Amino acid sequence: GESVGLHLPTLSVQEGDNSIINCAYSNSASDYFIWYKQESGKGPQFIIDIRSNMDKRQGQRVTVLLNKTVKHLSLQIAATQPGDSAVYFCAENMGNSGYALNFGKGTSLLVTP
Amino acid sequence: DADVTQTPRNRITKTGKRIMLECSQTKGHDRMYWYRQDPGLGLRLIYYSFDVKDINKGEISDGYSVSRQAQAKFSLSLESAIPNQTALYFCATSDRGQGRRDEQFFGPGTRLTVL
Repeated sequence: GESVGLHLPTLSVQEGDNSIINCAYSNSASDYFIWYKQESGKGPQFIIDIRSNMDKRQGQRVTVLLNKTVKHLSLQIAATQPGDSAVYFCAENMGNSGYALNFGKGTSLLVTP
Repeated sequence: DADVTQTPRNRITKTGKRIMLECSQTKGHDRMYWYRQDPGLGLRLIYYSFDVKDINKGEISDGYSVSRQAQAKFSLSLESAIPNQTALYFCATSDRGQGRRDEQFFGPGTRLTVL
């Protein structure tokens, strides 16, 4: 993918608002997608996943939307809380290879009081 | 995640030194992975292993080697460390079972600095 240098895209939202984090993926053969959350000093943690035969999946306060036509994935967080401040990564599993995830470069979410 | 542990958590070393980073998991997973993370570049796959006898190169394997000593252990070695290998290194595991078949569980990371 294209390098975006040393600066992550940043999304700043107020506590209580909804957040939408977007991700474009590259491989039309990808059949499985995951969103991870990474807090400072920790490893990535699973949030929610979706398979390519679905276009929407909901979890607790989170929704993932998949648009295969334009190869776009989004993560919606409802009623954003300060604890949601982190870097969010989307990842795609590249088709039948099934062995590894291709990670996006991440988006930093900052929740302000 | 306490189920995936990495040692050491931090390491500072000099150019040319050999370094080994270790990963252990108690999740009983077959698959293990090593990634490096650099600011603004996300996570990039170095090596992955589907079982003890199966090891494969990832996107950026040059300068690294791995050893899968047992199902639960996967170590990453830098034979002769160089400064551009300064990064945060993550080990991950996954299960080939049903459900969230490709979800990967990450360790806490090892911060490596090569001077």
